[in-house]
Amino acid sequence: DAGITQSPRHKVTETGTPVTLRCHQTENHRYMYWYRQDPGHGLRLIHYSYGVKDTDKGEVSDGYSVSRSKTEDFLLTLESATSSQTSVYFCAISDPRGQGNSPLHFGNGTRLTVT
Amino acid sequence: QKEVEQNSGPLSVPEGAIASLNCTYSDRGSQSFFWYRQYSGKSPELIMSIYSNGDKEDGRFTAQLNKASQYVSLLIRDSQPSDSATYLCAVSANRDDKIIFGKGTRLHILP
Repeated sequence: DAGITQSPRHKVTETGTPVTLRCHQTENHRYMYWYRQDPGHGLRLIHYSYGVKDTDKGEVSDGYSVSRSKTEDFLLTLESATSSQTSVYFCAISDPRGQGNSPLHFGNGTRLTVT
Repeated sequence: QKEVEQNSGPLSVPEGAIASLNCTYSDRGSQSFFWYRQYSGKSPELIMSIYSNGDKEDGRFTAQLNKASQYVSLLIRDSQPSDSATYLCAVSANRDDKIIFGKGTRLHILP
């Protein structure tokens, strides 16, 4: 899986609690992304990072924050989890070269259930 | 709003036949195109990247790109039961642009 580790793999949490998901890569890729995948919606971008301390919002960023203090780690935090954030979360990395965008390589995912 | 459209399926194809998966996109400035395969409960894995008009072949897989028609397709020759999966089309405009995914087409290869 291109040297990408997501933790935890599964988590059940209660509404209103904070949750942090971690993505760790060993590829030294500059770009990192957090997606969520839900039935009927496909993969939707939450936040992304083009480098250390360089992050930006995706299309479904409300209720989420991210941090990237090191090249290899990208953290996704749900400040106060809600049932609508029950989903499978994927981290992805890419190493852009040339003019075209390079493909994403995905971690194994984190299945989050908010009760 | 940039969009990537795929038929959700399921698309049922007999074993050994050619499976044809299609994708259209709304952003005429798109430059990079990707096909991913995703098995149930697993993460997406890259099958093909294509950047120029025409065909690109890799083993049993052929990606076809027509920028004028804003259309990209994936052909799978000699389909196998192991090809049964959801296929995701992804598109981006340029190097630093976000990659937008379609919702995927479920492919079922009939033994």
